[in-house]
Amino acid sequence: KQEVTQIPAALSVPEGENLVLNCSFTDSAIYNLQWFRQDPGKGLTSLLLIQSSQREQTSGRLNASLDKSSGRSTLYIAASQPGDSATYLCAVRSGGSYIPTFGRGTSLIVHP
Amino acid sequence: DAGITQSPRHKVTETGTPVTLRCHQTENHRYMYWYRQDPGHGLRLIHYSYGVKDTDKGEVSDGYSVSRSKTEDFLLTLESATSSQTSVYFCAIRAGTGDGANYGYTFGSGTRLTVV
Repeated sequence: KQEVTQIPAALSVPEGENLVLNCSFTDSAIYNLQWFRQDPGKGLTSLLLIQSSQREQTSGRLNASLDKSSGRSTLYIAASQPGDSATYLCAVRSGGSYIPTFGRGTSLIVHP
Repeated sequence: DAGITQSPRHKVTETGTPVTLRCHQTENHRYMYWYRQDPGHGLRLIHYSYGVKDTDKGEVSDGYSVSRSKTEDFLLTLESATSSQTSVYFCAIRAGTGDGANYGYTFGSGTRLTVV
């Protein structure tokens, strides 16, 4: 059974820092991995999707990498801003399944 | 972007009453999902559907039923609401283009349900 872990559970950084959020998964036979952002009281917004054949995806200040062999993905946020404050979740779709496995998320606070 | 709408956005109901939440999509996506999200538990799958009248249970399906009589609508019913079902409920669809590995998940805005 796929298990997804996100460490740390919470992170507080000053504005302007470059930061890395981690997502680990136990079964490397994945189809893809998706990063989401969730603002308080809101739904999940998709940030990036990395297919199993890809190593990374970029969108603006966000860069997500995937290393299947080590069961790890990282979300890199460059030059963090207070508006980046949110919970970031990763979801893994394993081969042969249409049910994604979610991590518990990392709650990020970027303070001015 | 796939359009996905949940209704109602907020609801307060009394213990023991039936409640139905609706998820509506504007495109013909095959897979639809119902999740609940609670502090300390993260997202938990309640039920999902892989086609009209084709549904299956998730990890927390007790006390819930679903129906999908049309591709675009996926209904979640709490048979007899209890306080433990107070939660935020999210609907999701599986959507994408091209190769299946390019298919991800899109979420609705959620329904905040309070059972008193």
